[in-house]
Amino acid sequence: IAGITQAPTSQILAAGRRMTLRCTQDMRHNAMYWYRQDLGLGLRLIHYSNTAGTTGKGEVPDGYSVSRANTDDFPLTLASAVPSQTSVYFCASSEVLGETQYFGPGTRLLVL
Amino acid sequence: RKEVEQDPGPFNVPEGATVAFNCTYSNSASQSFFWYRQDCRKEPKLLMSVYSSGNEDGRFTAQLNRASQYISLLIRDSKLSDSATYLCVVKRGNNRLAFGKGNQVVVIP
Repeated sequence: IAGITQAPTSQILAAGRRMTLRCTQDMRHNAMYWYRQDLGLGLRLIHYSNTAGTTGKGEVPDGYSVSRANTDDFPLTLASAVPSQTSVYFCASSEVLGETQYFGPGTRLLVL
Repeated sequence: RKEVEQDPGPFNVPEGATVAFNCTYSNSASQSFFWYRQDCRKEPKLLMSVYSSGNEDGRFTAQLNRASQYISLLIRDSKLSDSATYLCVVKRGNNRLAFGKGNQVVVIP
């Protein structure tokens, strides 16, 4: 692994289903982030984590949850997907909160 | 006023020409600024940080104007490979980043 990986690359999901997007980094960065990117709206922060064991809400947290059990992993869960959650999801990390962020390749999610 | 505002374009630029665009930000207390590049269907990648004194990296020059609250990016001698969306990023007081919607640049042969 080099940098940040995300899985799956893309997914089609039925509304109401539960889904976990995975994110792993090998840079030993303290901070990690989840964004969604929608046409015309730019990148919006969903949740973030300052360090392992702590998480915080971003601009658009409703319908999403995260956990940070260790430094490397930061999964994003949609408990019951809705069509408005159709988006491209990017995970990012930085050495400390607020510094230069490095992004994963993204997950393209379609909720029908 | 939006937190970070960019003209989406597209900016159609002949190959070899110079293109410049600005980004305005609303929070006068912002301290750190960045330009990210995003290729179609790819993740954003850091292009350069923007320092108070301005900075240059090859054909790319970034400037900060605190009085008017904008940052700028200039690309000289445009290459086809410069076609991308350039995202303006401003660090908020809570240590989170605010992203603009991007300036789309299309370099035309």
